[in-house]
Amino acid sequence: NAGVTQTPKFRVLKTGQSMTLLCAQDMNHEYMYWYRQDPGMGLRLIHYSVGEGTTAKGEVPDGYNVSRLKKQNFLLGLESAAPSQTSVYFCASCRGTNYEQYFGPGTRLTVT
Amino acid sequence: GENVEQHPSTLSVQEGDSAVIKCTYSDSASNYFPWYKQELGKRPQLIIDIRSNVGEKKDQRIAVTLNKTAKHFSLHITETQPEDSAVYFCAALAAGYSSASKIIFGSGTRLSIRP
Repeated sequence: NAGVTQTPKFRVLKTGQSMTLLCAQDMNHEYMYWYRQDPGMGLRLIHYSVGEGTTAKGEVPDGYNVSRLKKQNFLLGLESAAPSQTSVYFCASCRGTNYEQYFGPGTRLTVT
Repeated sequence: GENVEQHPSTLSVQEGDSAVIKCTYSDSASNYFPWYKQELGKRPQLIIDIRSNVGEKKDQRIAVTLNKTAKHFSLHITETQPEDSAVYFCAALAAGYSSASKIIFGSGTRLSIRP
């Protein structure tokens, strides 16, 4: 039981490049989330999903897109990376009946 | 929407003393308040949570209190130990999304335990 995993662990992008971050969970959780963590700003919700095929905007959705084609996977896309998107990205999942969120190990993204 | 404010941003206490971290929230309809601990370089992990139908919950050296009237909740750690050094986040379940578990986090408190 791997829990929540994220791919890749580290990435460096140039401004304007695109990339996709992959989150996978093997706990059969309904809900999945993407957060970004910046110093002094806590965890800010980017997008989330309440089930396969559904997504919704969080607090800071601009510049990001997501897809949940399979229940176990939640993808975060950056179409045209900007230096302001340099951050640590965490994925999380939880059951529908229990709000405890299980986090992945994080992806450190640097945009130069 | 829900807004969660957390204080202090940094806290240093002597080993063995108590530590208190406070949070306020804006939406009176919020009904679930978790606390997460994040050690350096690690992922956040739930340490305790409280729902709006209780005023206090305790788990060994950790306790959380909730004052719904004042819209604030606090984390209390007693008999602090070196392994308590970490960043602590409070959070609140945003109202209006009861079936969607939209959790809003505070900005975090870096707790350091002095030997």
